[in-house]
Amino acid sequence: GAGVSQSPSNKVTEKGKDVELRCDPISGHTALYWYRQRLGQGLEFLIYFQGNSAPDKSGLPSDRFSAERTGESVSTLTIQRTQQEDSAVYLCASVAIANTGELFFGEGSRLTVL
Amino acid sequence: AQSVAQPEDQVNVAEGNPLTVKCTYSVSGNPYLFWYVQYPNRGLQFLLKYITGDNLVKGSYGFEAEFNKSQTSFHLKKPSALVSDSALYFCAVRAYSGAGSYQLTFGKGTKLSVIP
Repeated sequence: GAGVSQSPSNKVTEKGKDVELRCDPISGHTALYWYRQRLGQGLEFLIYFQGNSAPDKSGLPSDRFSAERTGESVSTLTIQRTQQEDSAVYLCASVAIANTGELFFGEGSRLTVL
Repeated sequence: AQSVAQPEDQVNVAEGNPLTVKCTYSVSGNPYLFWYVQYPNRGLQFLLKYITGDNLVKGSYGFEAEFNKSQTSFHLKKPSALVSDSALYFCAVRAYSGAGSYQLTFGKGTKLSVIP
């Protein structure tokens, strides 16, 4: 597609359940980022993928969070045993040139944990 | 570690007046600086970036930003504000964070309200 696609756009789940969020980056973009945006807050870095290099996981808040990306294609962010504080919009972005290029963001996946 | 500060949570400006949204940064090495805008219930959109060259950078929708190395600032400006400019604005800095990672760090955002 022309832009970054994220699914689902909205997810409501019960505390303790696992959720999986998906990101389809722009074709040819080598790098991919996941961010979390809590209501009324800024963007919190979660994880960064660059080609086949080891991902930068330094922003993942706990071991309940994990993400995968195969090559330069789709990425999935998985949250296990969700907690109410996980409620947020999860934003994915891809970039063509890792150091100087601008990020192209998806519309986000809004997660609500009851 | 790199960081970005947006000292104002909210900026109010009358339509037609010039606007400034402030941003300061801290980074090791040469900074790559960005501004993004977020309209309600939408994803972030790129406005402009500074990589190298002229300190005054022009971007989308008539916005511009001035890179000031001595003051470590990258303030966003527009000569004449429109009501449609009302949105949340984020400043971001990218620097090499080691092991092949170019982490992009965002400020907490500034809400711009343009009053008719």
